[in-house]
Amino acid sequence: GENVEQHPSTLSVQEGDSAVIKCTYSDSASNYFPWYKQELGKRPQLIIDIRSNVGEKKDQRIAVTLNKTAKHFSLHITETQPEDSAVYFCAASIETSYDKVIFGPGTSLSVIP
Amino acid sequence: ETGVTQTPRHLVMGMTNKKSLKCEQHLGHNAMYWYKQSAKKPLELMFVYSLEERVENNSVPSRFSPECPNSSHLFLHLHTLQPEDSALYLCASSQGASGSSYNEQFFGPGTRLTVL
Repeated sequence: GENVEQHPSTLSVQEGDSAVIKCTYSDSASNYFPWYKQELGKRPQLIIDIRSNVGEKKDQRIAVTLNKTAKHFSLHITETQPEDSAVYFCAASIETSYDKVIFGPGTSLSVIP
Repeated sequence: ETGVTQTPRHLVMGMTNKKSLKCEQHLGHNAMYWYKQSAKKPLELMFVYSLEERVENNSVPSRFSPECPNSSHLFLHLHTLQPEDSALYLCASSQGASGSSYNEQFFGPGTRLTVL
């Protein structure tokens, strides 16, 4: 089955700096890669996703890149702000009749004002 | 509000108790999920239901028993749990339409379970 690894497990950056979180997956059939953000005491929420036919996607200060050959994808956050502090989960999914999503172990990001 | 609700929000139970967690989605989705979130395994998929049929059971102990009476409701029945079962139990739903599964999972707020 699919296995998703994520690094680093914790990350601290100064406000205004960039943050990068990297994930790898094992199943070459995976074709959808969402990223979820979970603030302390709140539910995970989708922040950005990328499909296998795209190499990069950007939404304001957040961007994701995908390298299908190497089976890795990354989340880039620029100009970090204190409200970016949260746990970020990457995930990989294979197209089926339901949306089974395998999550990585998460990265705890702290943005220091 | 994401349209997925869970009750109760907090539950404390003894190892001999029987309790149930309830999840309801108001989004018209076809798939519903139970996840266990703990320090050791942040988001561990337990069960998946698609169109009210269980399609995934990730080697979950039988002391956890899911039930999906219709596409809007999902239950997790708990029976003779262990202290290591203490965790946050998250319900989620997604459109789950066949042919196109690139759909966002909408999570509920979770039930914080403590087993004494």
